[in-house]
Amino acid sequence: SQQGEEDPQALSIQEGENATMNCSYKTSINNLQWYRQNSGRGLVHLILIRSNEREKHSGRLRVTLDTSKKSSSLLITASRAADTASYFCATDGNTPLVFGKGTRLSVIA
Amino acid sequence: EAGVAQSPRYKIIEKRQSVAFWCNPISGHATLYWYQQILGQGPKLLIQFQNNGVVDDSQLPKDRFSAERLKGVDSTLKIQPAKLEDSAVYLCASSPRGASNTGELFFGEGSRLTVL
Repeated sequence: SQQGEEDPQALSIQEGENATMNCSYKTSINNLQWYRQNSGRGLVHLILIRSNEREKHSGRLRVTLDTSKKSSSLLITASRAADTASYFCATDGNTPLVFGKGTRLSVIA
Repeated sequence: EAGVAQSPRYKIIEKRQSVAFWCNPISGHATLYWYQQILGQGPKLLIQFQNNGVVDDSQLPKDRFSAERLKGVDSTLKIQPAKLEDSAVYLCASSPRGASNTGELFFGEGSRLTVL
């Protein structure tokens, strides 16, 4: 069964706008990761946040984690057409990485 | 550094036929994973190896799927006989970490299977 649940399922924005995706999960975790998948390609790791961290930045990415609410968010600032992809959260508990169903982001130039 | 290599990239077969996918992980990566990704969904773990041993195959449909990593490097995933619902992308991933400390996974481009 899939642990993470991303919201929204699909998101369409204009280039230059910010994109926010949310992930909710059910059981305790060691860390939470975000991955990007371009159409027809494999997944690429974006960022990992540990259960004792609340916020992490990497370039235009900002990830937050709220373990009390079992939720995480991924913010992409100043989006570009090249950011068009599916984004997945993945949780690492006492099992191998479990992925959500993903958010499909479309950035319109 | 070479990435995770998978072949074939595309395969079309008829139901009840067999198919095999091959994966060559990043050199030195001890842990190897096979995920199944059905269109519009997230990847679902099929099997996890650490070196040449199976760590988790609880979600592998063992009546038709098999996988091996005999020398602790390359891996093969086989489906026999295939069903229509096996149409999916089969993703191989590897990690330099041990099975109990996941960290970042490195994915191949995937093998897209269509069962007619």
